[in-house]
Amino acid sequence: RKEVEQDPGPFNVPEGATVAFNCTYSNSASQSFFWYRQDCRKEPKLLMSVYSSGNEDGRFTAQLNRASQYISLLIRDSKLSDSATYLCVVNINPSGGYQKVTFGTGTKLQVIP
Amino acid sequence: GAGVSQSPSNKVTEKGKDVELRCDPISGHTALYWYRQRLGQGLEFLIYFQGNSAPDKSGLPSDRFSAERTGESVSTLTIQRTQQEDSAVYLCASSDPMVTQYFGPGTRLLVL
Repeated sequence: RKEVEQDPGPFNVPEGATVAFNCTYSNSASQSFFWYRQDCRKEPKLLMSVYSSGNEDGRFTAQLNRASQYISLLIRDSKLSDSATYLCVVNINPSGGYQKVTFGTGTKLQVIP
Repeated sequence: GAGVSQSPSNKVTEKGKDVELRCDPISGHTALYWYRQRLGQGLEFLIYFQGNSAPDKSGLPSDRFSAERTGESVSTLTIQRTQQEDSAVYLCASSDPMVTQYFGPGTRLLVL
């Protein structure tokens, strides 16, 4: 089983739609979680961190479900500019005190006019 | 402030040549990561530095790949005897104590 799994998509949605992505992780010791966005031929950029209580940033809402070991990203009122690949990121601190950061392979979103 | 920078931005080389890729992390970031991304694929972890030591180099695909880091600053990724399958974008990221990674623009490597 992969450490971090995402549905690769693509998700094709009309402008104004609400779309949700899930990401599952296998290591229950995972400690911090993020969503990144990657535009075509660009580097990944941080979209938002994911907090245990859930958090919202404008049209974007991230949630964490530790019991089921998944995180989600909800995008409301989709814009054409939201078209990108969304990467799920999970961090654990294994013994030795160093970070182990794992990226999912990404979910592609295409917002259609 | 300045972000992560990488050089060169593009590199075309012939099969069998050695290449050296450079990453300048954000000042003060102690952690530094190298990734490889082939066209249409996800990020492939290569190596992680904490300071100038590399506690996790499990992603280096072969002994042709090596990396070093000077103190908590510049890192270089060296690929010896390049092969066509090494063609990819090589991304560097540095992270703050909250583990948030900030990526450089990448080096696009093409091996002919």
